[in-house]
Amino acid sequence: GQQLNQSPQSMFIQEGEDVSMNCTSSSIFNTWLWYKQDPGEGPVLLIALYKAGELTSNGRLTAQFGITRKDSFLNISASIPSDVGIYFCAGQNTGTYKYIFGTGTRLKVLA
Amino acid sequence: GAVVSQHPSWVICKSGTSVKIECRSLDFQATTMFWYRQFPKQSLMLMATSNEGSKATYEQGVEKDKFLINHASLTLSTLTVTSAHPEDSSFYICSASASGSTDTQYFGPGTRLTVL
Repeated sequence: GQQLNQSPQSMFIQEGEDVSMNCTSSSIFNTWLWYKQDPGEGPVLLIALYKAGELTSNGRLTAQFGITRKDSFLNISASIPSDVGIYFCAGQNTGTYKYIFGTGTRLKVLA
Repeated sequence: GAVVSQHPSWVICKSGTSVKIECRSLDFQATTMFWYRQFPKQSLMLMATSNEGSKATYEQGVEKDKFLINHASLTLSTLTVTSAHPEDSSFYICSASASGSTDTQYFGPGTRLTVL
């Protein structure tokens, strides 16, 4: 099935550092979402984006809907150990309700 | 609000048996529910979409006779893995949305299926 490309695949960072990850697609989406998944659990919604160029924050998290509508970015500021997990982007295809998930970015925070 | 539960959280079964997984929206009515499969260290792959009272729509490559989906009410959808084999071992996750159009999908905690 179709997947979105996320970069980086994984990253190790020191506590307190900022984190950036992105998600790219070959097709346009009208909604971008960012989820976090802890091991053995379902994904939890972090941020939803509905308009091209939109910049939305949720605490230390900030996400942007790319102008081309083919990409999105997630930034985490001042990372803490509980930020560890897998971050997935998801795009909703124009004209449908289905989500297409990204390949995931595995984040590990070193205390 | 927007809580989705799954039962069981994990199940181990013998090859050839059938397993039923339940997905419930606890505090909202879910017109549409989605079933995903996630293999270790991989992303979520949509298996099928179920709308209350109608037949499920399966993604390409997903066998509808093997993965039976029933969306009998606005709060319950079930996925039955029939004649399960070891290659069906995976993490099955459901999600639910209120309208199925642009509403956000809320995910359940997942069910770990292990087929011996």
